[in-house]
Amino acid sequence: GESVGLHLPTLSVQEGDNSIINCAYSNSASDYFIWYKQESGKGPQFIIDIRSNMDKRQGQRVTVLLNKTVKHLSLQIAATQPGDSAVYFCAERNQAGTALIFGKGTTLSVSS
Amino acid sequence: DGGITQSPKYLFRKEGQNVTLSCEQNLNHDAMYWYRQDPGQGLRLIYYSQIVNDFQKGDIAEGYSVSREKKESFPLTVTSAQKNPTAFYLCASSIHGPGGTGELFFGEGSRLTVL
Repeated sequence: GESVGLHLPTLSVQEGDNSIINCAYSNSASDYFIWYKQESGKGPQFIIDIRSNMDKRQGQRVTVLLNKTVKHLSLQIAATQPGDSAVYFCAERNQAGTALIFGKGTTLSVSS
Repeated sequence: DGGITQSPKYLFRKEGQNVTLSCEQNLNHDAMYWYRQDPGQGLRLIYYSQIVNDFQKGDIAEGYSVSREKKESFPLTVTSAQKNPTAFYLCASSIHGPGGTGELFFGEGSRLTVL
């Protein structure tokens, strides 16, 4: 079946450090992946996405890496700030292409 | 401003009662979705709709019902048959192109508590 998971439920970093959040997916045919940030009590917000024909995509302070060989996705956040504290979810498009399947999330805590 | 509006934000229900959560979008998106989120868990898909008057079950549809009579509205009813309805419910919409669905735009969520 389709499932998406994250390696660690929590990650604690110091302000200014780089953060790396990992995600493993099971469907080798997945063609689209996306990262969301969710602050407490709010809906998820889009961070960055990547298609399977790419290995890397960069945004503002964020980079997503896709390793299709080992079915692994990661989100790198440069110079992490207290405002980055949130739960981060990876998601992949389902086989039918009609919905996104989400992982369980990693809680990022940034201390000053 | 364009976006997705969910209401109510908080809802309390007695056991055995049905409750309907509202979701409205003015983004002109064809596809709409309902997800359920439990503490420490990811988002699980309840129902989705790619077009008006059509919808499909997600992974956890039992005990829920939906309708899609208008493009901008996708209400979710949590019925008394849902065994554990206390959760955070998220509605989302997306453009659904030939390549499939892309980025989902989420509402702010509705927190349902069954007393």
